[in-house]
Amino acid sequence: NAGVTQTPKFQVLKTGQSMTLQCAQDMNHEYMSWYRQDPGMGLRLIHYSVGAGITDQGEVPNGYNVSRSTTEDFPLRLLSAAPSQTSVYFCASSYGSGLNQPQHFGDGTRLSIL
Amino acid sequence: SQQGEEDPQALSIQEGENATMNCSYKTSINNLQWYRQNSGRGLVHLILIRSNEREKHSGRLRVTLDTSKKSSSLLITASRAADTASYFCATDAHGRQGGSEKLVFGKGTKLTVNP
Repeated sequence: NAGVTQTPKFQVLKTGQSMTLQCAQDMNHEYMSWYRQDPGMGLRLIHYSVGAGITDQGEVPNGYNVSRSTTEDFPLRLLSAAPSQTSVYFCASSYGSGLNQPQHFGDGTRLSIL
Repeated sequence: SQQGEEDPQALSIQEGENATMNCSYKTSINNLQWYRQNSGRGLVHLILIRSNEREKHSGRLRVTLDTSKKSSSLLITASRAADTASYFCATDAHGRQGGSEKLVFGKGTKLTVNP
């Protein structure tokens, strides 16, 4: 199993550009989520999904969109990148729709906005 | 916010010593999890402890939970240089679907184990 795969691993954008961070898992997990990690801030939840067709906002959703059309994929879209979105982004997945299961994390996408 | 807060922020010890990290949280939880993150990598799950459990072991790891004090501790015994990493606690929080749907992380403890 590949687990949770995030692409790209690194990306540099200019302010105002758009892009999609990809996240795919091959474990048939229902729950998927996106976090951003900034120095000294720990991980902050951006959006999450408890199953295909269902998404909800986390702590810091502004500037990001998500969709969940399949169980396997949970892309994160930046519509108009801002320097404040420079961060490391992690996708995670787990069994079930609750949080009584371990989360499996990808290795992250390092995003710089100039 | 139901965020867990780890203490200390940084910890430096010698190989063979024990390392203890603490986590405090603000409101009632169903479970608490500990994760490890090596530099430049994603988080790896270590242990999940439920609110009705007081202690859990996994190899050299021991986790305790005191719901009356809203705190947890992670003990790594006989530490090794390979244990050098950041350690995070995470607690569950309710979402709009009514169930426990959000995992909220603390800021982490950076552990350095010197050979």
